[in-house]
Formats: sequence, structure tokens, C-alpha cells
Amino acid sequence: QQPVQSPQAVILREGEDAVINCSSSKALYSVHWYRQKHGEAPVFLMILLKGGEQKGHEKISASFNEKKQQSSLYLTASQLSYSGTYFCGTEYKLSFGAGTTVTVRA
Amino acid sequence: NAGVTQTPKFRVLKTGQSMTLLCAQDMNHEYMYWYRQDPGMGLRLIHYSVGEGTTAKGEVPDGYNVSRLKKQNFLLGLESAAPSQTSVYFCASSYVGASNSPLHFGNGTRLTVT
Repeated sequence: QQPVQSPQAVILREGEDAVINCSSSKALYSVHWYRQKHGEAPVFLMILLKGGEQKGHEKISASFNEKKQQSSLYLTASQLSYSGTYFCGTEYKLSFGAGTTVTVRA
Repeated sequence: NAGVTQTPKFRVLKTGQSMTLLCAQDMNHEYMYWYRQDPGMGLRLIHYSVGEGTTAKGEVPDGYNVSRLKKQNFLLGLESAAPSQTSVYFCASSYVGASNSPLHFGNGTRLTVT
């Protein structure tokens, strides 16, 4: 079953923060996060394997809850380069969420 | 080191025609995948392979066939194209299974079936 992402879209001004959520009805072994810019291939951001894990990559970080059914991606002090569509992926049938489109404006 | 290379980048087919999409990776990855991406639906897995000579069905396999005769190549075939197969197709590879290893994606093939 495809993981459920929310929100579908978010518009930010530079410097603002955002949170993207990814939920599954089943406990997951892992969750991946990818970013795709328009017309390009998805690019890997990070993978979380453990319940309660938090991981960061510059000002983009993610968490995986203890039950391993929900992950959140945090965009902190957003930059123009953060614009794109963010996908969470799970090992369950190698499925991806429908994506969250992030637009960062100057 | 090119990573994952897909050919062609664009293709237009008429209904009923056949074609093959080629995916090549130079990272010595065991696993390879074919996804299709449609607006509002994210990436859906068509077929995948866990090693040379193996293939398995994904979420949306109907109308597609695949082959992995060499470790570095994964071919996706459409025997009789239909307008519903208009999509952007992405190939990906990973060193081990996707539960532990990030996917590396090619740049995609935009297919239009008229």
C-alpha cells in the first residue's frame, strides 16, 4: 500500500520552515526521502532505519517514529534551492508516496 | 562514472506499436527497478530485478515485460502500446535491497502514445 504524504503542496518564503509527513498503515523496516526538481530524476536525501531515529542533512532533517509507521521531513530556514517535489519511499512493495510539492519564494 | 543511463529520452508511439527502453548502470548494483510516474500519483513500481537473470512483478506490471540478461542492463518492453502507457519512465538501481540502500535514478524517458 502506497504511503500517504501530507500536505500535497506548500508555499514558503525564504527562511520559513515546513514539515512534510509520510504515514503507513503497516510498520515499516525503513523509510527513504527523495527530492525531485522539475524535469529531473529523484535524488536521494536520506534513509531512516530505526524507530525513534532522527537524521539531518544541512538544514533538512527527518525523523522516524517509535512505531515506525510515520516519518516527517523538516525543512528549516528554507532556501530557493529547496523547491521541488519531495517523496517518501518505503520497502513495502518498493512504493512511494504521491509527493509534496514545495515552492520557496524570495 | 555515468551512474544510471536511460535511452531514449523521448519517444512517441502510435497505439499498438512496440518498443524497448534501455537502462544501464555502471555502479555494479545488484538490484534494478522500473517505475512510471504520472501526475499526482508519484512513482509506481512496474518490475524489478534482484540480480542478473531474475525479474519480478511490481505494483503495475500489466502491459510491460522486462529482461536482465546482463547485470548492468535492465530492459523494459512494451509489446502493444496503449494511450494509458503515456508516462515518464524512470529506471533505478541499488547496491542491495531498497530497505537498506538508496535508489539511484536515471534521468527518465518521456513516452507519449497516441
